Amino acid sequence: EAGVTQSPTHLIKTRGQQATLRCSPISGHTSVYWYQQALGLGLQFLLWYDEGEERNRGNFPPRFSGRQFPNYSSELNVNALELEDSALYLCASSLVLGSGGNTIYFGEGSWLTVV
Amino acid sequence: QKEVEQNSGPLSVPEGAIASLNCTYSDRGSQSFFWYRQYSGKSPELIMFIYSNGDKEDGRFTAQLNKASQYVSLLIRDSQPSDSATYLCAVNPSAASGGSYIPTFGRGTSLIVHP
Repeated sequence: EAGVTQSPTHLIKTRGQQATLRCSPISGHTSVYWYQQALGLGLQFLLWYDEGEERNRGNFPPRFSGRQFPNYSSELNVNALELEDSALYLCASSLVLGSGGNTIYFGEGSWLTVV
Repeated sequence: QKEVEQNSGPLSVPEGAIASLNCTYSDRGSQSFFWYRQYSGKSPELIMFIYSNGDKEDGRFTAQLNKASQYVSLLIRDSQPSDSATYLCAVNPSAASGGSYIPTFGRGTSLIVHP
């Protein structure tokens, strides 16, 4: 069974441009999470989508946005790129079971470099 | 503010020894607990999860949970150099959080297993 897949693996953009990252969850999973991990830092929660709706977002500016499609795949858009947006962007998926019983599985990540 | 605390390390152990990694969390009602392994430059990989107080064993790994002390640990027996990585503790919030199924991650503990 295929795991969480992300594309592209690496992306280089210029400051001020827009970046789009894509994620396909594990088959049967309806929830998609996005995390940012800057070099040497911990995982910072960005966005959570479930059943096509944005359920929660972390403490990031509005230029970080995304959506979830009817097939539960998701994309993350980062507008007006800044140098500090350079990071590993991780997508994870889960099947929310209730009572905190969801287990999230990560994709391989997308490395975004802003120059 | 829900917090998950881990000693950043590095924790250095000789090959064949037991590595003990610890994690404390602030949300007393947390429901489920996870350990992920992250190699440098790679995405986190789920090692195991635990829901109930006590020990859970999976091969060389044992997770220990003490909800009264808000403490979860990971023991790695017969440590190998290939176990050298950063180990992330993640905690799912309580149902009282209003169904916010967003795991909170610790910053991770760096483990070095030397031959």
